[in-house]
Amino acid sequence: EVQLVESGGGLVKPGGSLRLSCAASGFMFSSYSMNWVRQAPGKGLEWVSSISGSSSHIYYADSVRGRFTISRDNAKNSLSLQMSSLRAEDTAVYYCARDYDFWSGPYQYNWFDPWGQGTLVTVSS
Amino acid sequence: DIQMTQSPSSLSASVGDRVTITCRASQTISSNLNWYQHKPGKAPKLLIYAASSLQSGVPSRFSGSGSGTDFTLTISSLQPEDFATYFCQQSSITPRTFGQGTKLEIK
Repeated sequence: EVQLVESGGGLVKPGGSLRLSCAASGFMFSSYSMNWVRQAPGKGLEWVSSISGSSSHIYYADSVRGRFTISRDNAKNSLSLQMSSLRAEDTAVYYCARDYDFWSGPYQYNWFDPWGQGTLVTVSS
Repeated sequence: DIQMTQSPSSLSASVGDRVTITCRASQTISSNLNWYQHKPGKAPKLLIYAASSLQSGVPSRFSGSGSGTDFTLTISSLQPEDFATYFCQQSSITPRTFGQGTKLEIK
């Protein structure tokens, strides 16, 4: 069974740091790009960051660039998100999600599947 | 960034009803549009990819249509387990932005 399990969430003070992890199983982890997506209380989903299978391509949302660092360990089937200089507005449930792509002729399509169940990060004094 | 606008933001319906949720992109995204279902405390679940392709294992009462900038998700006959929040997502360019969600509630 393809599965993603996040861990590492918790309560942290503004300006603090936290490291999230996502353990993957049931698929060839190194063959897929991976993503972090978050949902703040009462808000919609916000894509945070993505990393390619070989870690050669990394992208961040403007809201976290320079403060968050995504990484992966293909030998351990693990994805991480190092978060620093945390702000109240970073309070959210953080999900990891596999990036799946599909080619139909010359056209490429991408979607997120599966997702983990999420880990809650609360930034508060 | 591409902005995704969903409507309505909330919807009350009864079991057996046919419901339609719309999603509009701020610029053309061809058919690079996905739909997800999200229940509290659960992992979001992929329903539709590439605008109209049904993900394996998803009931056939779910369908998607559209291309360019305007898309719809239709549930042909609501079942009790369908009450949830639904999100669209464009996958044309990074950042892969989401709509704000449509909360489907029991009438």
